[in-house]
Amino acid sequence: KNQVEQSPQSLIILEGKNCTLQCNYTVSPFSNLRWYKQDTGRGPVSLTIMTFSENTKSNGRYTATLDADTKQSSLHITASQLSDSASYICVVSAGTGTYKYIFGTGTRLKVLA
Amino acid sequence: SQTIHQWPATLVQPVGSPLSLECTVEGTSNPNLYWYRQAAGRGLQLLFYSVGIGQISSEVPQNLSASRPQDRQFILSSKKLLLSDSGFYLCAWSSKRGYNEQFFGPGTRLTVL
Repeated sequence: KNQVEQSPQSLIILEGKNCTLQCNYTVSPFSNLRWYKQDTGRGPVSLTIMTFSENTKSNGRYTATLDADTKQSSLHITASQLSDSASYICVVSAGTGTYKYIFGTGTRLKVLA
Repeated sequence: SQTIHQWPATLVQPVGSPLSLECTVEGTSNPNLYWYRQAAGRGLQLLFYSVGIGQISSEVPQNLSASRPQDRQFILSSKKLLLSDSGFYLCAWSSKRGYNEQFFGPGTRLTVL
């Protein structure tokens, strides 16, 4: 069964600290993996997209890693800011040119001043 | 550049009333279109997707329906709303080429009373 699991479910950190969010997946055939940021009451916004051959991709203070062998991905946030408070969703696309997107339930991050 | 619009942004409807949510995409042609529902604290649930005008596929049996009368217009409807239809509805589009990355609209918050 295609599945995406994220951990932790929620996380609270102090402003300026770093954090790492985890995503484990069992999706076949694997096409790509994306991390989205979703502010409360808004639509998700893409942070990174990674294909099978990519190990690391950065977008500002966000760095995503992908280990296709262990089927794990992580999203590292450096020097967190209050505006990083949001839900972070891991999404795996099964196959190419298809509609199959497997969504994780997200990690809710809260950054405190 | 491409943009995706949804309206209304919020909606409060009584049980048994009809529903019509609209989604339009600008700046692209022949996109794949999707309707998702996100319950509070839950992941995204795919409701419908469309690969072209008049082509609708349903993922979850329910009292909702979708239509695509134009290439870049996607409508979510119901004849009689249920309490369980409350949630955050997201429209998304993806290209049929490349990594089929999804782009989400701002969402509609529906409350059924």
